[in-house]
Amino acid sequence: KQEVTQIPAALSVPEGENLVLNCSFTDSAIYNLQWFRQDPGKGLTSLLLIQSSQREQTSGRLNASLDKSSGRSTLYIAASQPGDSATYLCAVRPPGTYKYIFGTGTRLKVLA
Amino acid sequence: DAGITQSPRHKVTETGTPVTLRCHQTENHRYMYWYRQDPGHGLRLIHYSYGVKDTDKGEVSDGYSVSRSKTEDFLLTLESATSSQTSVYFCAISEAPGGAGETQYFGPGTRLLVL
Repeated sequence: KQEVTQIPAALSVPEGENLVLNCSFTDSAIYNLQWFRQDPGKGLTSLLLIQSSQREQTSGRLNASLDKSSGRSTLYIAASQPGDSATYLCAVRPPGTYKYIFGTGTRLKVLA
Repeated sequence: DAGITQSPRHKVTETGTPVTLRCHQTENHRYMYWYRQDPGHGLRLIHYSYGVKDTDKGEVSDGYSVSRSKTEDFLLTLESATSSQTSVYFCAISEAPGGAGETQYFGPGTRLLVL
């Protein structure tokens, strides 16, 4: 059974730092992986989607990498800003199904 | 922002009563999903739909049923609400399988309290 883990559960950093959020999954057979952002009391916003054949995707200050063989994805945030404060979740889709499996998220706080 | 609305946004109900939550989209996307979000459990899939009248169960489907009679509407029904179904419910949509079409867009959520 596929399981998705995000460690740490919470992280505080000073403004301007580059940081890495981690996502681990137990079964390397995935179709794709998505990273989302969730602000308090709101729905999720998609940040990046990486297909299983891709190694990374970039959007602005965000870069997500995927290493299927080791069951890991990382979300790199460059030059963090207080507006980046949110919970970041990753989700994987196993092949042969449209059922996404989510991690429990990392709550990020960027201090001004 | 993708055009997704959920109604009601907040609901308080009593144990044993049926409850229906509605998700409405204006994007004409084929796939629609219902998730629940609970502390310590993250998001868990309840049911999803891959077309009108085509639905499938997720990992926590017991006690829930769904219906999709039109592309734009996906209804989630709690047949007899229990306190364990107190949660925040999110609807999501995606366009098509493969590539960027799999990006999921989420609604604002419905907070349900079962007393």
